[in-house]
Amino acid sequence: AQKITQTQPGMFVQEKEAVTLDCTYDTSDQSYGLFWYKQPSSGEMIFLIYQGSYDEQNATEGRYSLNFQKARKSANLVISASQLGDSAMYFCAILTNSGYALNFGKGTSLLVTP
Amino acid sequence: DTEVTQTPKHLVMGMTNKKSLKCEQHMGHRAMYWYKQKAKKPPELMFVYSYEKLSINESVPSRFSPECPNSSLLNLHLHALQPEDSALYLCASSQEGGGSRKKLFFGSGTQLSVL
Repeated sequence: AQKITQTQPGMFVQEKEAVTLDCTYDTSDQSYGLFWYKQPSSGEMIFLIYQGSYDEQNATEGRYSLNFQKARKSANLVISASQLGDSAMYFCAILTNSGYALNFGKGTSLLVTP
Repeated sequence: DTEVTQTPKHLVMGMTNKKSLKCEQHMGHRAMYWYKQKAKKPPELMFVYSYEKLSINESVPSRFSPECPNSSLLNLHLHALQPEDSALYLCASSQEGGGSRKKLFFGSGTQLSVL
């Protein structure tokens, strides 16, 4: 079984500040991938960043970085220099070798304030 | 711009109606998915197609009938739905294989209301 836990239902951050969204996972597979998606109010799911379980470096994509701590089974998303357009739902997801599709966490609602 | 196109964007239907949701991608992906998403909840997997064959059905009621006419198209036929089926229906596609190849590309969804 594979499980994703996002413990922060809602977060606030001031514009231009950095924010960390938490994600922990549980799997017995050695090979797996972790994904973060953003869902604005328009509804579309937008891929942000990917981290493989064997990747030695933490993934980065522009203002997004992933703080991957394998021993703690955590894959937190860090958004630097927050912008008003970052206000959205953020979902963490896992795919293991034994899985066939992404399994999503419950999500964190982020609000960026001026 | 999304590379997965879903139509219609909004749909209102009665419980006796028959309607279809359509999804199209031209990225050459051979895996296509239907997800259902209720408000303020994560997407829940409904069906997976791999190389145009249904590979996963997550115990979805038979009033939802998926179809994959070719590698670019995915339909979801709806019949005799219930009000609790009202939700955002998301189509997605990906490459086959593991790791980052399973990155899902989502359409913008169809917001379905069943009256």
